[in-house]
Amino acid sequence: EAGVVQSPRYKIIEKKQPVAFWCNPISGHNTLYWYLQNLGQGPELLIRYENEEAVDDSQLPKDRFSAERLKGVDSTLKIQPAELGDSAVYLCASSSQSRTGGQETQYFGPGTRLLVL
Amino acid sequence: SQQGEEDPQALSIQEGENATMNCSYKTSINNLQWYRQNSGRGLVHLILIRSNEREKHSGRLRVTLDTSKKSSSLLITASRAADTASYFCAGAGSYQLTFGKGTKLSVIP
Repeated sequence: EAGVVQSPRYKIIEKKQPVAFWCNPISGHNTLYWYLQNLGQGPELLIRYENEEAVDDSQLPKDRFSAERLKGVDSTLKIQPAELGDSAVYLCASSSQSRTGGQETQYFGPGTRLLVL
Repeated sequence: SQQGEEDPQALSIQEGENATMNCSYKTSINNLQWYRQNSGRGLVHLILIRSNEREKHSGRLRVTLDTSKKSSSLLITASRAADTASYFCAGAGSYQLTFGKGTKLSVIP
């Protein structure tokens, strides 16, 4: 079974430039997450999708960040314009639907390491 | 905001020794999960313990959960150099995981 795929693995851009990250979740997983991980910290949720619907985007800085999950499979996360403080690792994860309403295991991709100069 | 806090922040042990990491969390949870992250990689799920469980084993891993104290511990027995990684606990509320800052474990061969 293929895991969560993310691209690119690394990205270096100058500030004020746009950048986009792509994620392909595990087949059959209808829940998809984007996380931000700063150095020495744990992941912090940016947005959660159930199929194509963004059901929790409360932590997404909407002035510069946007995300979409067309057709409820692949997802893209965009930053425009990027700032120096956006340098971090952006992780995508997916999970299958919980039968109990709780939070089940999440499967993570390798992440995209972004450096904004 | 971080849900959990791991203790210690860093731990260095000799190969073959046991490693114990602790985690405290703030709000009610449905379950608590532990993940491992090797340098430059994504997180890998290790074990999930539900709120009505007190202890769980998986191979060389042993997890305990004390909901009255809002705390959990992860024990890795007979550690190996390959166990060198950062370990995160994550409290699971409704449809959301909230991660701590992690414990960085170094196992010296």
